[in-house]
Amino acid sequence: DTGVSQDPRHKITKRGQNVTFRCDPISEHNRLYWYRQTLGQGPEFLTYFQNEAQLEKSRLLSDRFSAERPKGSFSTLEIQRTEQGDSAMYLCASSLGWTSYEQYFGPGTRLTVT
Amino acid sequence: GESVGLHLPTLSVQEGDNSIINCAYSNSASDYFIWYKQESGKGPQFIIDIRSNMDKRQGQRVTVLLNKTVKHLSLQIAATQPGDSAVYFCAENNKGGTSYGKLTFGQGTILTVHP
Repeated sequence: DTGVSQDPRHKITKRGQNVTFRCDPISEHNRLYWYRQTLGQGPEFLTYFQNEAQLEKSRLLSDRFSAERPKGSFSTLEIQRTEQGDSAMYLCASSLGWTSYEQYFGPGTRLTVT
Repeated sequence: GESVGLHLPTLSVQEGDNSIINCAYSNSASDYFIWYKQESGKGPQFIIDIRSNMDKRQGQRVTVLLNKTVKHLSLQIAATQPGDSAVYFCAENNKGGTSYGKLTFGQGTILTVHP
């Protein structure tokens, strides 16, 4: 257990529905990252936060995706109007930031869109 | 675009053997590299990291070697155990600007350790 938690662990939804995932990072970590991982591939960067500021978003993050970290602690990732291509593992990671690149990952949320 | 890749997608070894997992990277500006282990159904687990100003770094039973001349990274696992069976990913940090800390992952190598 790295200390990063994600909820839910699994989510099955029908195409067109909205889903929201939550990530709780290690408490003293000011950086939080979201990645997406499909079967057989390495994680792909989606976005990251420095405290509550969202500093970068990948081109993978379409307009249907939005992420927030309102108080600089936990973060949510919402996918609107889900598509079958959104099926993947969504991983959250956190790090101390400027002093350390070392990112600790949570267990992930497995999304299946039917 | 820039990418990190692996030479071998699968590696099978006997328990007690040493394992070597290789990774090629293409971004010469990358300044930090990490190896992660991922077991089925779990998130990636940090193994060891190395900065670009180093050639070698050792941990417990693991060693990472960095060859910047040929842009090659390797992970050596000594006395491999069945519990080491997993997918191993190398990842690089893209240097500079707002990408500070963003990791780019390779495809992964499946390591299977036979008792």
